[in-house]
Amino acid sequence: DIQMTQSPSSLSASVGDRVTISCRASQGISNSLDWFQQKPGKAPKSLIYAASSLQSGVPSRFSGSGSGTDFTLTISSLQPEDFATYYCRQYKSYPITFGQGTRLEIK
Amino acid sequence: EVQLVESGGGLVQPGGSLRLSCAASGFTFSDHYMDWVRQAPGKGLEWVGRTRNKANSYTTEYAASVKGRFTVSRDDSKKSLYLQMNSLKADDTAVYYCVRVTVNIYSFDYWGQGTLVTVSS
Repeated sequence: DIQMTQSPSSLSASVGDRVTISCRASQGISNSLDWFQQKPGKAPKSLIYAASSLQSGVPSRFSGSGSGTDFTLTISSLQPEDFATYYCRQYKSYPITFGQGTRLEIK
Repeated sequence: EVQLVESGGGLVQPGGSLRLSCAASGFTFSDHYMDWVRQAPGKGLEWVGRTRNKANSYTTEYAASVKGRFTVSRDDSKKSLYLQMNSLKADDTAVYYCVRVTVNIYSFDYWGQGTLVTVSS
């Protein structure tokens, strides 16, 4: 199985900050990675697919990069509605696996 | 507008069975692979299983933790996805989400709101 490791597990930041969340795969997955945002009590929301492509309707302050084993989600200027938990997921091979999540909190 | 609405969750005893449904609307259901993902209380996301589309013979894939106990199926005429869960264990307690897979890209694009399954005596 491909293990997905996110760092950090939690992060405190302020409105307006630039934030980066990392996701590392235990083996190469090309660009078969997406990112999700989840707020408490809500379903996840898809943000990024194919490592760097923005889902329709997602604000441009979100961006993704990387290929192979190392990936990054960047929020260029944090907004109040961005405080949530973020997950990466690989879909290169079965079983599909998620990172453990990164909780983004208000400083 | 794409909508995915899960139903069928509830309280079930260990060893029991439950069938979840997901009603899809707003898109051509038959074109898409469809997945189930679950989330135990306070935990992260866990992929459960997949059904491919008719063009790919409705074949399925499962996580090791549910293989042999859970069955993913679909009825394209009803635009519905199902998850038959047998031999349920306490560890299966979770919110179960129905998820649409993007055609030819295989990312996840739309999620249902989830349905809670609680396995307890």
